[in-house]
Amino acid sequence: AQKVTQAQTEISVVEKEDVTLDCVYETRDTTYYLFWYKQPPSGELVFLIRRNSFDEQNEISGRYSWNFQKSTSSFNFTITASQVVDSAVYFCALSDQDTGRRALTFGSGTRLQVQP
Amino acid sequence: DTEVTQTPKHLVMGMTNKKSLKCEQHMGHRAMYWYKQKAKKPPELMFVYSYEKLSINESVPSRFSPECPNSSLLNLHLHALQPEDSALYLCASSQQREVYSPLHFGNGTRLTVT
Repeated sequence: AQKVTQAQTEISVVEKEDVTLDCVYETRDTTYYLFWYKQPPSGELVFLIRRNSFDEQNEISGRYSWNFQKSTSSFNFTITASQVVDSAVYFCALSDQDTGRRALTFGSGTRLQVQP
Repeated sequence: DTEVTQTPKHLVMGMTNKKSLKCEQHMGHRAMYWYKQKAKKPPELMFVYSYEKLSINESVPSRFSPECPNSSLLNLHLHALQPEDSALYLCASSQQREVYSPLHFGNGTRLTVT
C-alpha cells in the first residue's frame, strides 16, 4: 500500500528565510504521481505542482522549488525568501494505480508559520 | 477565486436535521470528489464520481448520501448526523479520474453538528 510521510508537523521561520518541507513516499507502483497542495486558513486546498515518476528534473516556479529524488523516495519543497503569505498547511500527496483505486493519498501535512 | 464553488460556507445542524451541501464546477471536469477534513488532519476521501456514476464509496456511513445530478453538480445529503461528524467538507474535481489528474478543491463547508 502507498504511504506519504511528512515528518515535520510544524515549522516556524522569520520572513525572508528559506525553508524546506520534507516529503517521503512509499509505493509499489512504477508509475505514480506526486503533488503538493497548499491550504491557507481560508480552507481551500490549492494545487501547486505535479510530478510523475519518470521525470526527476527539479522544478522552479518563482520562489518555489521542488526536488524529486527517486533514490530516496523524496519530493521536497523549498520556499526561498519566505513571506507571511506563505503561512499555511502544506500537503504532499501521492497518486498511483493501487489496484485501480486511483485516489490521492495525503501526508499528514506541515504547518508553516512565517513571522514578520 | 476558486473554480469549484461550495455552498454553504458554514452550516450548523442538529442531530435530527436534514441538510445538503452543494458543489458546482464549470471547468468541464468529469470526476468529482467529496473529502472530509478534521482539524489538523489531512483530507480523507469519502466519495468519488466519474462521469456522474459513483466510483468509490470509502465505507462512509449511510447518514451521508452523495448525489451527482449532472457533470457540473455534486451534492452531499446529510441526515441524522453525530457530533463527531463536525468537520470541514471539501469538494474537488478533476478532468478525469486518472492518477495524473490534479484535483481542484473548493473552499469547503464548515459543518458543526450540535
